[in-house]
Amino acid sequence: GNSVTQMEGPVTLSEEAFLTINCTYTATGYPSLFWYVQYPGEGLQLLLKATKADDKGSNKGFEATYRKETTSFHLEKGSVQVSDSAVYFCALSDAAGGTSYGKLTFGQGTILTVHP
Amino acid sequence: KAGVTQTPRYLIKTRGQQVTLSCSPISGHRSVSWYQQTPGQGLQFLFEYFSETQRNKGNFPGRFSGRQFSNSRSEMNVSTLELGDSALYLCASSSWGSFNEKLFFGSGTQLSVL
Repeated sequence: GNSVTQMEGPVTLSEEAFLTINCTYTATGYPSLFWYVQYPGEGLQLLLKATKADDKGSNKGFEATYRKETTSFHLEKGSVQVSDSAVYFCALSDAAGGTSYGKLTFGQGTILTVHP
Repeated sequence: KAGVTQTPRYLIKTRGQQVTLSCSPISGHRSVSWYQQTPGQGLQFLFEYFSETQRNKGNFPGRFSGRQFSNSRSEMNVSTLELGDSALYLCASSSWGSFNEKLFFGSGTQLSVL
């Protein structure tokens, strides 16, 4: 079955530090890959996505590249801010078998805390 | 445009009771999905509805059920509550529920079972 593995957290960084959160996946078909972010007390928001191999998703200074050869979708940001403190979820949606309607498979989430 | 609205925000129930949660999707969205979020299991897919029909279902017992109305609003019901049902229940909507579509999530209903 499909699965997503994220690096263990929590991650604590100083403002302006470089961020990497690792994400690897297992899928039966050709998945679309997503990063969602959850701020305290809120639901999830889409941060970025990539729908095919070698696509790069980017938003708000965050980037992730769909690497089929390594089955990875690592999230990066060159200079984090205090406001980036949140929980980050890597997720996939796989069209194989027609069972993908509305369904995302999520990683466990990585808590990021950024200090001034 | 209003976002996804979930009510109530918090619920406290006792074991054995049943509960109904409500979700109003973004106007024009016809697909509504439900997820359970717990510290131990993370985010798990419950089911998806489109045009009043359940199209997809996760691996949850039959105590978990849902429905969708003609205006795309959705409800989920949990019968015979167990302590392990304590969780944040998230609803998400999208236009078609396609595999590469962005999902818009509500803020969730926090259910506590005592």
